[in-house]
Amino acid sequence: GQNIDQPTEMTATEGAIVQINCTYQTSGFNGLFWYQQHAGEAPTFLSYNVLDGLEEKGRFSSFLSRSKGYSYLLLKELQMKDSASYLCAASDSNYQLIWGAGTKLIIKP
Amino acid sequence: GAVVSQHPSRVICKSGTSVKIECRSLDFQATTMFWYRQFPKQSLMLMATSNEGSKATYEQGVEKDKFLINHASLTLSTLTVTSAHPEDSSFYICSAIWESSYNEQFFGPGTRLTVL
Repeated sequence: GQNIDQPTEMTATEGAIVQINCTYQTSGFNGLFWYQQHAGEAPTFLSYNVLDGLEEKGRFSSFLSRSKGYSYLLLKELQMKDSASYLCAASDSNYQLIWGAGTKLIIKP
Repeated sequence: GAVVSQHPSRVICKSGTSVKIECRSLDFQATTMFWYRQFPKQSLMLMATSNEGSKATYEQGVEKDKFLINHASLTLSTLTVTSAHPEDSSFYICSAIWESSYNEQFFGPGTRLTVL
């Protein structure tokens, strides 16, 4: 079956670094997405990885290992506005997104 | 670019009535649109996939006669919740993709439906 696993909740301190992990099992693979979702709002796109390695985009970086079915989202210099849910989604052979349940990130001052 | 709008943003209706939600791609032609439902503190659940001019493909467990999807043009898809009940209260989100977006989905802002 198809499955996405990510932690339910994480807590970090303002200014620190946090890594949110995601493991996936899909029928075929066409890339891994990370989205940010604030409460009551639609998800917003953060990153897309289809090749192994690290993609850096400002304070956010995303890593993919296809052989391990593993990805992580790295957030640096955390700000209070980064408090949100972070959704991992894998694109399967039909280009449908298989969604994780999301990781709620709580930032403390 | 790649903006998707939804209307209305919030709707409150009485049980038994029907509610229509519109999803529009404002600056691109959407080859495919998706409709999701999200209950509080849960992830997005795909309801159906629709391509312009053809019937929507519904996910298992989603009643096609209750959730009517019409994708009349490359920029507009509508979801009609028929005979709504309180358990249909949820956050409904649409997304759209276009051929060159390497299957990145662009999301609308969502519609909060409350059925009394």
